[in-house]
Amino acid sequence: QLQLQESGPGRVRPSETLSLTCTVSSYSISGTSYYWGWIRQPPGQGLEWMGGISYTEDTRYNPSLKSRLTMSVDTSKNQFSLNLKSVTATDTAIYYCARHVAGGSSSFFDHWGQGILVTVSS
Amino acid sequence: QSALTQPASVSGSPGQSITISCTGTSSDVGGYNYVSWYQQQPDKAPKLIIYDVKNRPLGVSNRFSGSKSGNTASLTISGLQAEDQAEYYCSSYTSSGTLVVFGGGTKVTVL
Repeated sequence: QLQLQESGPGRVRPSETLSLTCTVSSYSISGTSYYWGWIRQPPGQGLEWMGGISYTEDTRYNPSLKSRLTMSVDTSKNQFSLNLKSVTATDTAIYYCARHVAGGSSSFFDHWGQGILVTVSS
Repeated sequence: QSALTQPASVSGSPGQSITISCTGTSSDVGGYNYVSWYQQQPDKAPKLIIYDVKNRPLGVSNRFSGSKSGNTASLTISGLQAEDQAEYYCSSYTSSGTLVVFGGGTKVTVL
């Protein structure tokens, strides 16, 4: 059964860079047509799609975050990562990684990590 | 302000049916059959319950069903059970540039 697990610091200082990694187990992220995405959820609020990356490193970003966001993939470690720079308190959220079934005929997130709470504070 | 509009809350008694609406535009819900629904229990990750408007993943109860008419998608929960109490989010592909949009979420309360 495919599993995803987020990892990274639980706290980041304002103006610094938030870095998270998602490790995928029981499934190879190479050679598949899926995207691997990040979705975040501020405390008590709704979901926001941040972006996604394919194993070929094709990236898609939410325009509202594009200037601060970089995603990467490491197929040798079966991981993908997120870097969000110049964070502020509004970036405090639970960050989820998920498999994004995306292509010409579908768009949905079928497997999710458990989420990691990242707090931006000094 | 979420891109897709959902009612903040819906409630029903055990055994009843409830419907949650999700309204978008012709650039998202109305233009593509790429609407999905997620159930989120407190302090848990969202779980996919409907994809491509009306399809259920393996293991999801057939009490959950999805449909779409024009720019509005709907999730119906029939035979409401206590375990259905959760937050529900709709999502859609969008051609507007964001690629993926979510609704603001609907809290379902079982009375």
